[in-house]
Amino acid sequence: ELKVEQNPLFLSMQEEKNYTIYCNYSTTSDRLYWYRQDPGKSLESLFVLLSNGAVKQEGRLMASLDTKARLSTLHITAAVHDLSATYFCAVDMVGTDKLIFGTGTRLQVFP
Amino acid sequence: KAGVTQTPRYLIKTRGQQVTLSCSPISGHRSVSWYQQTPGQGLQFLFEYFSETQRNKGNFPGRFSGRQFSNSRSEMNVSTLELGDSALYLCASRPQTTSTDTQYFGPGTRLTVL
Repeated sequence: ELKVEQNPLFLSMQEEKNYTIYCNYSTTSDRLYWYRQDPGKSLESLFVLLSNGAVKQEGRLMASLDTKARLSTLHITAAVHDLSATYFCAVDMVGTDKLIFGTGTRLQVFP
Repeated sequence: KAGVTQTPRYLIKTRGQQVTLSCSPISGHRSVSWYQQTPGQGLQFLFEYFSETQRNKGNFPGRFSGRQFSNSRSEMNVSTLELGDSALYLCASRPQTTSTDTQYFGPGTRLTVL
């Protein structure tokens, strides 16, 4: 059964610092997603990664995928308070929309 | 383009009652999925529908059911509500299951069971 693990579960960062969130999954997957969730809100799509070596960047966030290691990373550069949220990775297979989510990483950025 | 819409946004029910939640996908999207989010279990897959057919079902009891209509709108039903069914129920849509696009999530329905 496909399982997804994220770490750390909680991350408290100072502004302007860099950090990485890790996402490991247990079996081959076709698509990997990163979502952001603000408290009491729904999921906002950040990135979709489809192939080995894929890298996508948006502002201070950069996501990468290593399908051989079954690992994706979400790198935060020079964090700002607005990035405070919970970040989820998820995987699925082509032909199904069954997303398997990680536990989420709650990010708190403070001055 | 309008996003995924869900109604109602909030619901309060008592144990033993039943509830129906509705989801309207983005126009042109034929694939709809449902998820339950709780603090203890996180985000868990409930069902997925494509062209009115249930393609996959998560590990939930038979009290949880769903359907999709010809216009791609979807409903889920929970019968004989239990306290543990209190959760945020999220609906997501995508053009089709082979799409390389993301799944777009609606705002959710927050269900409280008393």
